[in-house]
Amino acid sequence: DAKTTQPNSMESNEEEPVHLPCNHSTISGTDYIHWYRQLPSQGPEYVIHGLTSNVNNRMASLAIAEDRKSSTLILHRATLRDAAVYYCILRVYSGAGSYQLTFGKGTKLSVIP
Amino acid sequence: ETGVTQSPTHLIKTRGQQVTLRCSSQSGHNTVSWYQQALGQGPQFIFQYYREEENGRGNFPPRFSGLQFPNYSSELNVNALELDDSALYLCASSLGQGARVTTEAFFGQGTRLTVV
Repeated sequence: DAKTTQPNSMESNEEEPVHLPCNHSTISGTDYIHWYRQLPSQGPEYVIHGLTSNVNNRMASLAIAEDRKSSTLILHRATLRDAAVYYCILRVYSGAGSYQLTFGKGTKLSVIP
Repeated sequence: ETGVTQSPTHLIKTRGQQVTLRCSSQSGHNTVSWYQQALGQGPQFIFQYYREEENGRGNFPPRFSGLQFPNYSSELNVNALELDDSALYLCASSLGQGARVTTEAFFGQGTRLTVV
């Protein structure tokens, strides 16, 4: 099984950048790296995804190591609304032409006012 | 554009009973996946439906089954409930091309199932 390793928890001060690391040493060439976050009492929410190159969108940036064995989600200015569990996920082929998202335990991000 | 909606939001069942959970996909999405999330854990993939056919399954026993309807809404059925089935059940919809799921999945808020 493709797996990811993330710190259990991290803290950040409000309005400061946050770098959330993820290791995925068993990644295969066709596995996309996805990030989702889950706020309390809600379903996961898509943040960003990438394959090889760094990616930016309105929510965050994704930096992918050259060997693809690790990646970092970057929140440029943390707000209180960014407090959530962040999941680094490999989109894995699950047979019959379908792909599944394999979640780990994620990183619980706390944002300090 | 409507989001993913799940019903009911909460449910209590007795061990050995059967339960059906429902999910309405986001408009235009033809692929639905179901996940089980135990307390303090990340979601675990149960199975996926694409155009009314199951086309991927995680490590769950056959008593977990599902359906997808022509309007792409979906049901998750669990027979012979066990105490360990107590969890948050999440439905996610996405737009698949052929049999491949692309880009992001949109999740519902889940159904909290308690088995006593």
